[in-house]
Amino acid sequence: TQLLEQSPQFLSIQEGENLTVYCNSSSVFSSLQWYRQEPGEGPVLLVTVVTGGEVKKLKRLTFQFGDARKDSSLHITAAQPGDTGLYLCAGVSGSNYKLTFGKGTLLTVNP
Amino acid sequence: NAGVTQTPKFQVLKTGQSMTLQCAQDMNHEYMSWYRQDPGMGLRLIHYSVGAGITDQGEVPNGYNVSRSTTEDFPLRLLSAAPSQTSVYFCASSALRGRDYGYTFGSGTRLTVV
Repeated sequence: TQLLEQSPQFLSIQEGENLTVYCNSSSVFSSLQWYRQEPGEGPVLLVTVVTGGEVKKLKRLTFQFGDARKDSSLHITAAQPGDTGLYLCAGVSGSNYKLTFGKGTLLTVNP
Repeated sequence: NAGVTQTPKFQVLKTGQSMTLQCAQDMNHEYMSWYRQDPGMGLRLIHYSVGAGITDQGEVPNGYNVSRSTTEDFPLRLLSAAPSQTSVYFCASSALRGRDYGYTFGSGTRLTVV
């Protein structure tokens, strides 16, 4: 079983602060996806990274895929209360398209 | 709106009862899957399908059955509900096209087994 370890598990910060969430594995993934989930809803895809070393930006969010395709990070600049939610990383490996999820980082941004 | 529709949103079952969780998508996605989400455990794959007539087991398939008779629908059947199946269930689909494909999730079914 391939595991994805996310850290930190919980993060509570003030509006305007920067933060980084990490997603690590000992396994290689063909791609890695980041989702955000709000209470009572399903996860919503933020980004997919495919190439080792790839960096993608989505407004104030920056996603990076490790060179060896075993890890990824999500950096948020100047966090806002609207960024509050559960952030999940998920890896795809092999030819069966199965997603393996990390346990998530619960982010709270206080006004 | 296009997307993944799950019904019901909430359900309470007694131990031993059976039920079917419905999942439908109108995006012509080939791939559909079912996950359960439990506190401290994250999202775990129950069953998945890469196309009509094709299904396979995920990480936690025991106690659940699936079928895929059409591209649009992927129901999840609980044969004899147990308290350990209390969870939030999510259905997800994907077109699996391009290098950076992603998955579309439904809004979930919260199931309580008493």
